[in-house]
Amino acid sequence: EPEVTQTPSHQVTQMGQEVILRCVPISNHLYFYWYRQILGQKVEFLVSFYNNEISEKSEIFDDQFSVERPDGSNFTLKIRSTKLEDSAMYFCASIVPQGRVEQYFGPGTRLTVT
Amino acid sequence: AQTVTQSQPEMSVQEAETVTLSCTYDTSESDYYLFWYKQPPSRQMILVIRQEAYKQQNATENRFSVNFQKAAKSFSLKISDSQLGDAAMYFCAYSLSGAGSYQLTFGKGTKLSVIP
Repeated sequence: EPEVTQTPSHQVTQMGQEVILRCVPISNHLYFYWYRQILGQKVEFLVSFYNNEISEKSEIFDDQFSVERPDGSNFTLKIRSTKLEDSAMYFCASIVPQGRVEQYFGPGTRLTVT
Repeated sequence: AQTVTQSQPEMSVQEAETVTLSCTYDTSESDYYLFWYKQPPSRQMILVIRQEAYKQQNATENRFSVNFQKAAKSFSLKISDSQLGDAAMYFCAYSLSGAGSYQLTFGKGTKLSVIP
């Protein structure tokens, strides 16, 4: 069964550094998402991406964040200058939205900012 | 804005028994989807069950079933014959239907423990 993959599984970075989190969504899916989960808290929507552009973003997704689909398979989340409070699990998800609307989640990337 | 509330931070159940997890939501929309996701210690998000708001019939998936009360905006999850592998965080989530980005709004979760 196809699945969403994410790399790396764990990323440690220093405050102020740039990080890129990578995702490979399921190949025939059309919408792509990033969510964040700070340890012990709920999962929060960051951004959705459709037809090579951002379709919606939350108030969390400020100017330090960006997303890109550089080729036909990868979907990346870039954090330009990481802060301590960016430490969280970051989940990528994708969806077909033609009859089936449930989102398929990747295993997540744990980002630790020191 | 839509909100999802899970009022039970933690629940426990004896193995083989039945447990119900509660979820309420607030929306002014009439067409939407509701989901329950399971998050084991690995932190992978796994879809358990989904419900379309336009369907009156409650969804079931093997040992998992929901009680969807649209007027009350309530969406509870019942787990029958609980197994040790059911121990996890359970998140209730909401998504708009129709045009749009279908992003999920999650509740804070319920930690379910299964006692052998």
